[in-house]
Amino acid sequence: EAQVTQNPRYLITVTGKKLTVTCSQNMNHEYMSWYRQDPGLGLRQIYYSMNVEVTDKGDVPEGYKVSRKEKRNFPLILESPSPNQTSLYFCASSYRRSTTYNEQFFGPGTRLTVL
Amino acid sequence: AQSVTQPDIHITVSEGASLELRCNYSYGATPYLFWYVQSPGQGLQLLLKYFSGDTLVQGIKGFEAEFKRSQSSFNLRKPSVHWSDAAEYFCAVGAGGSYIPTFGRGTSLIVHP
Repeated sequence: EAQVTQNPRYLITVTGKKLTVTCSQNMNHEYMSWYRQDPGLGLRQIYYSMNVEVTDKGDVPEGYKVSRKEKRNFPLILESPSPNQTSLYFCASSYRRSTTYNEQFFGPGTRLTVL
Repeated sequence: AQSVTQPDIHITVSEGASLELRCNYSYGATPYLFWYVQSPGQGLQLLLKYFSGDTLVQGIKGFEAEFKRSQSSFNLRKPSVHWSDAAEYFCAVGAGGSYIPTFGRGTSLIVHP
């Protein structure tokens, strides 16, 4: 089954304790992206990756890191989480074709609480 | 840069009633337009998309949307709403060379029995 998986689905942590949220897709997509969703603000892009070893900042990258060492995986790293990073996080992936936009496939989300 | 506005934060309808969710975009040329649905506790799923051609597009779950260039709108419609349609709906616009769509803030649909 074609899907985007995220782990963990729920996480409660404390300020300053490094954490990683994993994202994996099995559709051989070139493009992967991380979003955060906050009430009244919709989806805001954190980082995206056009392909292996190619990453770039989205709209709200501060406090986050990503890496893309393999095509299928795109982990989101919070080196020193703070309470304002409490949010619902989504990973998404799509094909990257130069002439058109493509449907993004979303993971189920990770609800993160930073105390 | 492109932008998208969903003017309604919440919409409440009765089951069986018709539905229209509004989406307005800002972009100089014809953009790529999408509607996604987010059911409670789930990720986003694509309902439909418009790239070119017929301005009335059909999607999954009985939804349709109409692109109106003169109004810079891409409103989502459904003739008869079911209780299972209660969800958050996001309009997205893609334009320019970045191939990354911009999402609206979402409209929460509440369905009364």
